Amino acid sequence: DSGVTQTPKHLITATGQRVTLRCSPRSGDLSVYWYQQSLDQGLQFLIQYYNGEERAKGNILERFSAQQFPDLHSELNLSSLELGDSALYFCASSVQSQETQYFGPGTRLLVL
Amino acid sequence: GQQLNQSPQSMFIQEGEDVSMNCTSSSIFNTWLWYKQEPGEGPVLLIALYKAGELTSNGRLTAQFGITRKDSFLNISASIPSDVGIYFCAGRANAGGTSYGKLTFGQGTILTVHP
Repeated sequence: DSGVTQTPKHLITATGQRVTLRCSPRSGDLSVYWYQQSLDQGLQFLIQYYNGEERAKGNILERFSAQQFPDLHSELNLSSLELGDSALYFCASSVQSQETQYFGPGTRLLVL
Repeated sequence: GQQLNQSPQSMFIQEGEDVSMNCTSSSIFNTWLWYKQEPGEGPVLLIALYKAGELTSNGRLTAQFGITRKDSFLNISASIPSDVGIYFCAGRANAGGTSYGKLTFGQGTILTVHP
């Protein structure tokens, strides 16, 4: 158990819908990262937050957004969902930005 | 953008054999990490390397940070059935700019160990 929690574990929804994925970092970790894992693209970095502020951005679609709240938990919002958004979404956390990242168990999203 | 080439893509070995996999990059990283992922789980950190030339062990696992900063390898000695999983290398570039904290992952090596 990495100490990073993610909810829900599974999510099935339809195209065009919007979903919110939630992540609670390890106790004491200030940085949260979101990654997408799909069969064709592998593990891809989406976005990083540090102590409530966006710190780095990867290949995140405009339909996706994230935020980190004062209690340091983070949410990833996916809107206007497409079939190709079906993937595993992982959250990771670290104490500081350059420290080791610990991954949560992931949320498996299926868009039908 | 940065890319990591990880090889081999898959390995089928007998229990007790040693395993070696590696990653090469088109650009320099200042940190190399090796993760293992099992079905239905998130990646679990195995070894972290922070310095060029560094050789680090974790039990039966040994990893090295290449001198050029563009490659790393992972060795598993005397494999056992519970070593089965997908092994990923990951690199982190220098701090600053839009890549701050970002990890770039290899495509993964699928390891199967036959008892």
